[in-house]
Amino acid sequence: DVKVTQSSRYLVKRTGEKVFLECVQDMDHENMFWYRQDPGLGLRLIYFSYDVKMKEKGDIPEGYSVSREKKERFSLILESASTNQTSMYLCASSTNSRAKNIQYFGAGTRLSVL
Amino acid sequence: AQTVTQSQPEMSVQEAETVTLSCTYDTSESDYYLFWYKQPPSRQMILVIRQEAYKQQNATENRFSVNFQKAAKSFSLKISDSQLGDAAMYFCAYRSIDSSYKLIFGSGTRLLVRP
Repeated sequence: DVKVTQSSRYLVKRTGEKVFLECVQDMDHENMFWYRQDPGLGLRLIYFSYDVKMKEKGDIPEGYSVSREKKERFSLILESASTNQTSMYLCASSTNSRAKNIQYFGAGTRLSVL
Repeated sequence: AQTVTQSQPEMSVQEAETVTLSCTYDTSESDYYLFWYKQPPSRQMILVIRQEAYKQQNATENRFSVNFQKAAKSFSLKISDSQLGDAAMYFCAYRSIDSSYKLIFGSGTRLLVRP
C-alpha cells in the first residue's frame, strides 16, 4: 500500500520559532508537495519538488522554505512562525507517470502558532 | 489561470439515498484531468474518481460516478446508496495535461450522512 507519513499530527509553536514539518513517502515517487488547507479556501500549494534537491514555488510560498535531500523525504520549514501560519498542512507525493498521475496524501499536521 | 469552484459548502443526504456534489471549473485548455478527492474526519485525503477530459465516457467507481459536461465545464460527483462512511469533505481538483505536478483544488463540500 502507498504510504505518505507526516511526522506530527499536532504541533503547537510560539511566534518566531523555527518549525520543521517532515514528510516521508515509501513509494519511490519523484514528486512531492506541501499544501496548506484552510476552511473555505481548499488546498493551496506552497512548494513542490520534482527531484532530489529540486524545488519550485507554488501559489503561496511566502514565509516558507523546503528541503529535499533524499528522494523519500520532503521537509517544510517555517523560518519564523507567525500566527497567520496556523493551519492544516498536507504533504503529498506522485509519480511522473502520466498514466498514474495520482497524488497520495499524508494524514496532515495541524499547526497552531501562538 | 485555471480555477475550480465548489458552490456547495455543505450537503446532507439520508443513508441509502443518492446525492450529487457540484463542481465547475474554468480553463482554456482542451485536454486535462479532473479528480474528486475525499477527506474523512481522520484527514487522510484519498482519491475517489478520476476523469480524463478527452474521454467522453463518464468515469464510475462502484457507487461513485461523475457527470462530466466538457462544454459547460462541469464535473459533478454522484454518490449512490449513501453510507455513513461517505461522510467527509469532498474536493474537486483540476490538473493540466502539460503539468506533471500541480493540482488546483476547489474549496470543498462537506457531506453529512443522516442515519
